[in-house]
Amino acid sequence: DSGVTQTPKHLITATGQRVTLRCSPRSGDLSVYWYQQSLDQGLQFLIQYYNGEERAKGNILERFSAQQFPDLHSELNLSSLELGDSALYFCASSGGGRSSGNTIYFGEGSWLTVV
Amino acid sequence: GQQLNQSPQSMFIQEGEDVSMNCTSSSIFNTWLWYKQEPGEGPVLLIALYKAGELTSNGRLTAQFGITRKDSFLNISASIPSDVGIYFCAGQLPSNTGKLIFGQGTTLQVKP
Repeated sequence: DSGVTQTPKHLITATGQRVTLRCSPRSGDLSVYWYQQSLDQGLQFLIQYYNGEERAKGNILERFSAQQFPDLHSELNLSSLELGDSALYFCASSGGGRSSGNTIYFGEGSWLTVV
Repeated sequence: GQQLNQSPQSMFIQEGEDVSMNCTSSSIFNTWLWYKQEPGEGPVLLIALYKAGELTSNGRLTAQFGITRKDSFLNISASIPSDVGIYFCAGQLPSNTGKLIFGQGTTLQVKP
């Protein structure tokens, strides 16, 4: 158990809909990362928050957004869903925003299927 | 963007054999991490490397941070069936974000 909790574990929704994925980081971790894993793209970094503020942005679509709340949990919002958005979405957390000595632990993922 | 080239893409070995996989990049990394992922699970951290030249072991696993800071390898000795999974290397760039760049993964299958 990594200590990173994600909900829901599985989600099936229709195209055009909107979903919210939730993540609770490990106790004490200030950084939260979101990754997307699909069969053909591997693990792709989406976005990072550190102590409530956006820290880094990766290949995140404009239809997607995220936020980190004062209690440090984070949500990833996916809207106007398309079939190609079907993937595993992972949340990860670490203690700080600096790269040195920054070990990152992953949750078990949220499996999104868009039909 | 930055890329990590991980090889081999897949391996099918006999139980008891040693395994070696590696990652290379054109970019310099401050940290190298090796993860294992099993079906339906998130990546699980195996080994973290923080200094160029560092050699670290975790049981039957050994990993090294290349001197040039552009590569890393992972060795698994005396493989067992539960070693099956996908192994990912990941690097952290010299920035203050900590985000990881992942390799494409090495799928390992072990024949009992």
